[in-house]
Amino acid sequence: DSGVTQTPKHLITATGQRVTLRCSPRSGDLSVYWYQQSLDQGLQFLIQYYNGEERAKGNILERFSAQQFPDLHSELNLSSLELGDSALYFCASSGQGAGETQYFGPGTRLLVL
Amino acid sequence: QQQVKQSPQSLIVQKGGISIINCAYENTAFDYFPWYQQFPGKGPALLIAIRPDVSEKKEGRFTISFNKSAKQFSLHIMDSQPGDSATYFCAARSGTYKYIFGTGTRLKVLA
Repeated sequence: DSGVTQTPKHLITATGQRVTLRCSPRSGDLSVYWYQQSLDQGLQFLIQYYNGEERAKGNILERFSAQQFPDLHSELNLSSLELGDSALYFCASSGQGAGETQYFGPGTRLLVL
Repeated sequence: QQQVKQSPQSLIVQKGGISIINCAYENTAFDYFPWYQQFPGKGPALLIAIRPDVSEKKEGRFTISFNKSAKQFSLHIMDSQPGDSATYFCAARSGTYKYIFGTGTRLKVLA
């Protein structure tokens, strides 16, 4: 168990809908990263937050947004969902100043029908 | 320039054999190179990592070899076991804490 929790574990929704994925980092970790893992692709970095502020941005679509709250949990919002958004979404956290060892959560499997 | 190219895509090794997975990069600003192991239905877990000022790092049966001039690094799994069967990802980090992952290698170790 990495200490990172993600909810929900599974999510099934329809095209055009909006969903929110939640992540709680390990105790004491200030950085949260979001990744998308599609079937035939590796992990695609989406976005990183550090202590509530956006730190780095990857290939995140404009339909997607994220935030990190004062209690350090993070949410990834996916809107106007398309079939191609079906994927595993992982959250990872790392400690202050470390930025090295990322601890991954179990992921949320999103299926868009 | 931000890519990390990983090969092979899949690998089958006999129990007791050596598994070798290779990665190559172009961005010389990368300063940290971790390897992750992922079992089905689980999130990736850090296996071993190396910095570019070191040419080799060994932890148990797992070794990273790093060639800075060639901009390549590889993971060697010695005495491969069926329990090592998983997907392995290499990654590289830039100074902005942005991680680029390889596309993964599915390793199957035959008993």
